[in-house]
Parts: sequence; C-alpha cells; structure tokens
Amino acid sequence: GENVEQHPSTLSVQEGDSAVIKCTYSDSASNYFPWYKQELGKRPQLIIDIRSNVGEKKDQRIAVTLNKTAKHFSLHITETQPEDSAVYFCAASKFAGGTSYGKLTFGQGTILTVHP
Amino acid sequence: NAGVTQTPKFQVLKTGQSMTLQCAQDMNHEYMSWYRQDPGMGLRLIHYSVGAGITDQGEVPNGYNVSRSTTEDFPLRLLSAAPSQTSVYFCASSSLLYAGGPNEQFFGPGTRLTVL
Repeated sequence: GENVEQHPSTLSVQEGDSAVIKCTYSDSASNYFPWYKQELGKRPQLIIDIRSNVGEKKDQRIAVTLNKTAKHFSLHITETQPEDSAVYFCAASKFAGGTSYGKLTFGQGTILTVHP
Repeated sequence: NAGVTQTPKFQVLKTGQSMTLQCAQDMNHEYMSWYRQDPGMGLRLIHYSVGAGITDQGEVPNGYNVSRSTTEDFPLRLLSAAPSQTSVYFCASSSLLYAGGPNEQFFGPGTRLTVL
C-alpha cells in the first residue's frame, strides 16, 4: 500500500519567516495530495490540496508544490504568523475518475511553532 | 448544519470492556470513515463506508467493527478493548458527488479513548 513520509517532525520559526514541510510518497498511482492543519485539541481541517496534473498551487500565504517524478510534495507558508502554529499533515490518495473519494494515507505530522 | 458530530468526547475503559463510538453527519455524505491518531504516526484509516450497507477495511481494522445502516450514522465498535487501542478517534465524511475532483473530507471533533 501507499506510504507517506513527512519531514521535519518539528519546525520552529520566527514570525515573518517562511516554513517548508516536505512529504514523499511511494505509490506512483497516487494523484491527490491534501494538506491538513490541526490546532491543539481540535479536528484536522483542509487548508490546501493539489492534484497530479498540476505542479504548483497557491492560496494567499500558502503554496503547495508537487514533483511527480521524484514522488514528493511540499507545503510552503510565507510570512508566518503565531496563529500558524499547529500540527500539519500531508496525505496522499488515488482518486479514480468518476468517483470523488479516496482513502487517505497520512504523513506523521509536523509540529510548527511560530515565535512572535 | 452541525456537520460531523462524535460522542462521547472522552472515554475511559478497562481492558476487555466493549463500547461504541458514535459518529453522525447531517450533510447527506455518502462516504464516511474512521481514523485513529497516535503521536508521531499521523492518522490511520480503520474502516470506511461508501453508503448504507457497504463497509470496507482500512489500514488498521483489527479489533474494530463497523456497520452502516443509515446514510447519517457510522458507529465504531470495540468488542474487547485493549491498551493498544488508547488513541484519539476521528470520524470523517465527504460527498461522492462527482465535481471534477476529490471532495473535501470533513472531520468530527474526535473522541479521546483511554484503555487501562
């Protein structure tokens, strides 16, 4: 089955700096890669996702890049703020055309701390 | 809409006891799933369902049973609890309506289970 590795496990940055979290996946058939943010004691929430037919996607301060050849994808957060502090999870799945779900395989998570 | 709800929020069991974690959604989502979250291991899929009467195993199904008699409810049963099942459990749901790509999975607030 699919295996997703996520690095680093912890990341500490100063407010205003950029943060980058990287994930690698094993199944070359995976084609959907969401990122979830989980604040302490809360539920995971989708913040951005990318499909395999796209190399990069941006949403304000958040961007995700995908390298299908190398089987890795990354989350980039620019101009970090203290409220970005949370656990971030990457995931991968095989989305089949005609259906709109896929079993998600998650990475281990990255604890991001943004210091004021 | 309440979204995805889970009960109870917290539960302590003794080894060998049984219990059912409840999950309900009011978004008419066909797809529902259960994950467990353990430190350093991300979220792992236990069981999932694509509609009433249809369930399948995920990555870590042993020790857990599910059934889906209605679209709204997807309970998770622990028949004989073990300390290894101490974890935070999340239920998630998404629509199967094809919209050109994978639909977002919405998570419930979680149930923190401790097995002594």
